[in-house]
Amino acid sequence: DQQVKQNSPSLSVQEGRISILNCDYTNSMFDYFLWYKKYPAEGPTFLISISSIKDKNEDGRFTVFLNKSAKHLSLHIVPSQPGDSAVYFCAARNAGNMLTFGGGTRLMVKP
Amino acid sequence: DAGVTQSPTHLIKTRGQQVTLRCSPKSGHDTVSWYQQALGQGPQFIFQYYEEEERQRGNFPDRFSGHQFPNYSSELNVNALLLGDSALYLCASSLWLGGDGNQPQHFGDGTRLSIL
Repeated sequence: DQQVKQNSPSLSVQEGRISILNCDYTNSMFDYFLWYKKYPAEGPTFLISISSIKDKNEDGRFTVFLNKSAKHLSLHIVPSQPGDSAVYFCAARNAGNMLTFGGGTRLMVKP
Repeated sequence: DAGVTQSPTHLIKTRGQQVTLRCSPKSGHDTVSWYQQALGQGPQFIFQYYEEEERQRGNFPDRFSGHQFPNYSSELNVNALLLGDSALYLCASSLWLGGDGNQPQHFGDGTRLSIL
């Protein structure tokens, strides 16, 4: 069973516009949610996280929103830049610091 | 400050062989986790080591085993390799239980394992 799902395999946006990446989860016991960015031939790089007791966390151009009742989180990137083009993974953490990842969304930001 | 380093970067093996992958954690980290990433999928948790003991394990068979050394570095061993073991193997390091609760795992660039 997939506990963390990213239903959009790809997303294309214009430079300067907003990118919204979505993630759904099923396990209510996750205590943190994280977003990682991955370029080809590199490991995932941590972007931003949110505690399960918060509903929003912001860091520069990146904002993560958490809707616990819907078991849904989203990552907003504003404004989007061509260098943001990468695969984005949503991950959920259990109390033992084990990460469960979604399948990823490939973001393409067009100049 | 060196991040997480993994070796080798690429490896080609044949079915039935055994392989050992290595990981050095980021300076200051004491916990190492291993993940398998198949093509087109997200990373899947294999196991986690802290204080030289396996602390958590994902849904992987006993052919997958590991070790952590006193200097916190770690090895992943896979026996009796199958074609389906072809994947990118990622090592991540962190503080035990995430430190203050908000310390993310840091990943290496992975080892690409191909089974012929």
